[in-house]
Amino acid sequence: EVQLVQSGAEVKKPGESLKISCKGSGYSFSTYWMAWVRQMPGKGLEWMGSIYPGDSDTRYSPSFQGQVIMSVDKSLSTAYLQWRSLKASDTAMYYCARTMVRGIPACFDSWGQGSLVTVSS
Amino acid sequence: AIQMTQSPSSLSASVGDRVTITCRASQGIRKDLGWYQQKPGKAPKLLIHDASSLQSGVPSRFSGSGSGTDFTLTISSLQPEDFATYYCLQLYDYPWTFGQGTRVEVK
Repeated sequence: EVQLVQSGAEVKKPGESLKISCKGSGYSFSTYWMAWVRQMPGKGLEWMGSIYPGDSDTRYSPSFQGQVIMSVDKSLSTAYLQWRSLKASDTAMYYCARTMVRGIPACFDSWGQGSLVTVSS
Repeated sequence: AIQMTQSPSSLSASVGDRVTITCRASQGIRKDLGWYQQKPGKAPKLLIHDASSLQSGVPSRFSGSGSGTDFTLTISSLQPEDFATYYCLQLYDYPWTFGQGTRVEVK
């Protein structure tokens, strides 16, 4: 069974750094693209970008390029989403999601449970 | 970026109703579109991929159609568990973009 387990809720202050994680199991982690999706409170879904764990090929949405860093540790079957300096506007739920087809970007068929990030002074 | 315009933004319906949600792309996207269902406090769930292919395990009352710029998600007979928010997602070109969502509420 495919499972994506995300790290827990975080409360941070503006300007602080943060790295959240998404651990995949039940499949070949290196061979499926992983996406990150943001959902701000009461709002819709936004695709932030996708990363291919096999070679760390990464595609960012222009809205998030330069604002976050996506990375993976294949040895741990874990994907990461990182901020160097958080803003209050980063307050949101963040989901990781695995694409449904091996090796190519495609629809996401498996999702993590979400990581709630709250940024407040 | 390709804009995805969903309509309506919300609708009220009763159990047993036929419900149709549309998604229009700002340019042609072939059939590179998925439909998702999201319930409050939960992660989204894939219903339809490639515009019209039913995801494994999804009830057959859900169907998708369309290609190019105009797409439709249909629920043939609304069930109590179908009250949720629905999103389309285009995967034709980066950046991938979601529609703004359609909330299906109890009438």
